[in-house]
Amino acid sequence: DVKVTQSSRYLVKRTGEKVFLECVQDMDHENMFWYRQDPGLGLRLIYFSYDVKMKEKGDIPEGYSVSREKKERFSLILESASTNQTSMYLCASSRSGTYNEQFFGPGTRLTVL
Amino acid sequence: RKEVEQDPGPFNVPEGATVAFNCTYSNSASQSFFWYRQDCRKEPKLLMSVYSSGNEDGRFTAQLNRASQYISLLIRDSKLSDSATYLCVVNMDTGRRALTFGSGTRLQVQP
Repeated sequence: DVKVTQSSRYLVKRTGEKVFLECVQDMDHENMFWYRQDPGLGLRLIYFSYDVKMKEKGDIPEGYSVSREKKERFSLILESASTNQTSMYLCASSRSGTYNEQFFGPGTRLTVL
Repeated sequence: RKEVEQDPGPFNVPEGATVAFNCTYSNSASQSFFWYRQDCRKEPKLLMSVYSSGNEDGRFTAQLNRASQYISLLIRDSKLSDSATYLCVVNMDTGRRALTFGSGTRLQVQP
């Protein structure tokens, strides 16, 4: 059974804190993605990676960075959390190739106070 | 104009009804199209790809209209378990290896 796991289901942080969201996939997928999902706005791509140590900006990269040191793990970092980063964060992975099915993790609901 | 646009709904239909959703996309060069399903408080999952000639999977039929730049999803004989949000997904062919998701159409099937 394919699986994408995320480190936390719920997270509460304070403004200005550094936040790490971890994502691990066990399908040996090359591509990994970070999205945030907000009501009425749908899923918006923050960053994605198509190989170890490779990353590309998505539609809303400001305020975020990512790290991919190992194939199975893709981390999203909020250097200094702000209240407008309160959201549901979803990680996904897919095989190499441009438009293959994406498998999603269960999401992390982040609240920044 | 949004790159991928969907009617947010909700569509409230009785069990057994046929319901259809449309989704419009802005880039005429787009080549790949999908429907994902997202249950309440769950992650999205692929429902079906959309092929140029149209395709069917059981009670679900997906169609593509390139001239008018929209895709559609038809659900026949609706079940209570079909209640979910349906996300339209398109590649925008910008040279980027990523897909663009619509904000979804919510379906509520009632007994």
